[in-house]
Order: sequence, then structure tokens, then C-alpha cells
Amino acid sequence: GAGVSQSPSNKVTEKGKDVELRCDPISGHTALYWYRQRLGQGLEFLIYFQGNSAPDKSGLPSDRFSAERTGESVSTLTIQRTQQEDSAVYLCASSPGVGAGGYTFGSGTRLTVV
Amino acid sequence: ILNVEQSPQSLHVQEGDSTNFTCSFPSSNFYALHWYRWETAKSPEALFVMTLNGDEKKKGRISATLNTKEGYSYLYIKGSQPEDSATYLCAFHSGAGSYQLTFGKGTKLSVIP
Repeated sequence: GAGVSQSPSNKVTEKGKDVELRCDPISGHTALYWYRQRLGQGLEFLIYFQGNSAPDKSGLPSDRFSAERTGESVSTLTIQRTQQEDSAVYLCASSPGVGAGGYTFGSGTRLTVV
Repeated sequence: ILNVEQSPQSLHVQEGDSTNFTCSFPSSNFYALHWYRWETAKSPEALFVMTLNGDEKKKGRISATLNTKEGYSYLYIKGSQPEDSATYLCAFHSGAGSYQLTFGKGTKLSVIP
């Protein structure tokens, strides 16, 4: 596609429910990144994909968080048993490849856990 | 843990004023410094990628400078306009083989008409 698409743009969920966030990167971009920004904080790295593999999952805050990528395209970030501290804007970005310069970001998913 | 600091945290200026803000980052293992502009409910938009010490980049009324030896970058906006209101993020990219950008918390700029 022309840009990075994320869905949903907003999600309100009850504590304890599972949520799934979707990212559709720019066609041909092999690298895909998930970040989040909690209120008053900087952008926090979560996970990076090169192709369909995730060489570094160290940014995932707990085992309730998982992500996958298929077809070197769409990625989903799943949060199980959501907690209030999971409330944040979740941003996805893609780039042509490792070390290749800046990212193109999606407009994010604002997740609110009530 | 890499420390990327931005100051000030927020800034209010009158339309027509010029302004600048700072990003400081580790001076070792430098590969690139990125500046992004993030308007509410939109995607962060890439402004500049800076790689060389002494780099100066310009895009319209916005410009940036880079000092990798002392680990800082300045972003300047000349003649601020209300549409410049946004959060300005800098991100440090360490090492040619590194994939991860480490972001500062941003400077939130509000331009008052």
C-alpha cells in the first residue's frame, strides 16, 4: 500500500480481555517495528521483524504480549488479559531493511483499558 | 540503556516567533539521528535523517544541526505558524547494523495565533 495502515485506530477494552492490533506495512518493506507510547513517556520499542522472523522480542513487556508476521506483510500484536498499564498508543513502522534509514509510521492504535 | 533526552518538554510560542529545541544522545557508537514531527491522531512524519558531524539540514522553515562529538542536535523553526503545532521527536540510531531507534520523549510545541 501507499502507507502503513493500522487498525483499529481506537480500542477501548475491559481489563482482562484480549486484544489484537493489526499493522499493514508498505509493500516491499522487509523490516517492521512495533513501538508504544504510554502517557508522559517516550516511544518504547516492543519488537522488530525482519521478514517473518522476530530476531529481537526483548522489548515485549511481559508474556501477555505476542506478535507475529505472515507473508512478509501484515503483522498482528496480541495482548492477552489486558491490564490498565497496557493503555497506550501502539505504533507500527516499516522500513526497507536493517540500517536503511528512517521509518515510515502508521497513525497508531490508541488502546484504553478500563 | 541508551539515554535520549529532549528539552524542553513543552513550549508555547506566538505565531511568527522563531524557536528551537534540543536533543541529546550518546556520543559513542553513533550511526544516525532522526527527527520526526508527530501531530495528534496522525502518523509521525520523518523530517530529517542526519549522519555526519556538522550536518545541517533544512526543510522550508525548519532546520536542524548535528554535533556527534558532544552528542546533541538542535531543531530550529523560523517564523512559527499554528500548523507547526506538534510533538517533535528525535531518535538515536546506533551502529550500522542496528535496527532499533531509541526515541526521546519529544518536545510538544504549541503555536498561538
